[in-house]
Amino acid sequence: EPEVTQTPSHQVTQMGQEVILRCVPISNHLYFYWYRQILGQKVEFLVSFYNNEISEKSEIFDDQFSVERPDGSNFTLKIRSTKLEDSAMYFCASSVGIPYGYTFGSGTRLTVV
Amino acid sequence: AQTVTQSQPEMSVQEAETVTLSCTYDTSESNYYLFWYKQPPSRQMILVIRQEAYKQQNATENRFSVNFQKAAKSFSLKISDSQLGDTAMYFCAFLLGGAQKLVFGQGTRLTINP
Repeated sequence: EPEVTQTPSHQVTQMGQEVILRCVPISNHLYFYWYRQILGQKVEFLVSFYNNEISEKSEIFDDQFSVERPDGSNFTLKIRSTKLEDSAMYFCASSVGIPYGYTFGSGTRLTVV
Repeated sequence: AQTVTQSQPEMSVQEAETVTLSCTYDTSESNYYLFWYKQPPSRQMILVIRQEAYKQQNATENRFSVNFQKAAKSFSLKISDSQLGDTAMYFCAFLLGGAQKLVFGQGTRLTINP
């Protein structure tokens, strides 16, 4: 069964450093997303991406965050200057179309120290 | 704004029993979709079942079924013949038709005991 692949599975970074989280969505999917889950809390929407541009973003997704699809397969989330409160599980997801639900990746656990 | 509420933070049942997880949501729209996701200890989010709001028939997937009560804005998940592998966090989620983002509930931690 096709999977959404995320790398790395765990990343530790120092406060103020830039991090790039990587995702390979399912190949025939058109919609791409990033969500995050702070430990013990609900899953929160960050951003959606369609047709090579951001289609929707949340208030969490401020100027410190950016997304990119640098080639035909990868989808990345960059955090420019990490803060302690950015520590969370980050999930990438993709969808062939809105009503069918998403396929999530297994997540990247980001720890900012 | 749409909200999703799961009123049971934790539940625990014996293996082979049937368990029902509750979910209510709030929306003034008529076109939307509802989902249950499972998050086992591995933390991956796995789609369990989905329901289109325009369909009156309740969705089923093997041992998993939903009770969708549109007027009451309720979307509960029933797991029959529960198995140890069903132990996980379960999230109810709402997607407005034409929108992009899933809105998640707080989750219910389900433990299946041997």
